[in-house]
Amino acid sequence: DTAVSQTPKYLVTQMGNDKSIKCEQNLGHDTMYWYKQDSKKFLKIMFSYNNKELIINETVPNRFSPKSPDKAHLNLHINSLELGDSAVYFCASLGQGYNEQFFGPGTRLTVL
Amino acid sequence: GENVEQHPSTLSVQEGDSAVIKCTYSDSASNYFPWYKQELGKGPQLIIDIRSNVGEKKDQRIAVTLNKTAKHFSLHITETQPEDSAVYFCAASWSEKLTFGTGTRLTIIP
Repeated sequence: DTAVSQTPKYLVTQMGNDKSIKCEQNLGHDTMYWYKQDSKKFLKIMFSYNNKELIINETVPNRFSPKSPDKAHLNLHINSLELGDSAVYFCASLGQGYNEQFFGPGTRLTVL
Repeated sequence: GENVEQHPSTLSVQEGDSAVIKCTYSDSASNYFPWYKQELGKGPQLIIDIRSNVGEKKDQRIAVTLNKTAKHFSLHITETQPEDSAVYFCAASWSEKLTFGTGTRLTIIP
């Protein structure tokens, strides 16, 4: 009964490829996020969706495209992967009226 | 936008001693200040939070203090144990967007 789950946990791919990471939450939350954590452990928000609508879009290359088919899912598609995209990507969710964000276990992306 | 600074970046403490991690924020509109603990290979997990209408909050061995005037807030862990070893992040927000500090790697020395 995992609250926020991500697949895959590890992703190794070549430069130039396109890949997707999936996120699902079973908490009934309305808001979901994608964060990027680099090798120095800096956590930066990338996107946020509320009930399938984009509400936060930080300065992220347009090679990154989030998609929310329903409020329980937020997927991240990355085109033309670059070496600098190597990082751990975390999905998180937030319930309406609350402040605690629940994080998934992360997806470690390695671009070779 | 909000900017959160966190110090120190690394901290080693003898088991049983106390650990203190400090953060400053820039946006006076921020009113919510959580602390997250991230263990190796896992996602960050909330351990304690404080809102701007409160100066201090305690939960067993963990306490957080907030100085709104100085825009400082701190995490205090007493009687540290080996399982406290992790990376700790402070954050600040006034909306759904959290801005995180740069993290503190805390090591408890047995």
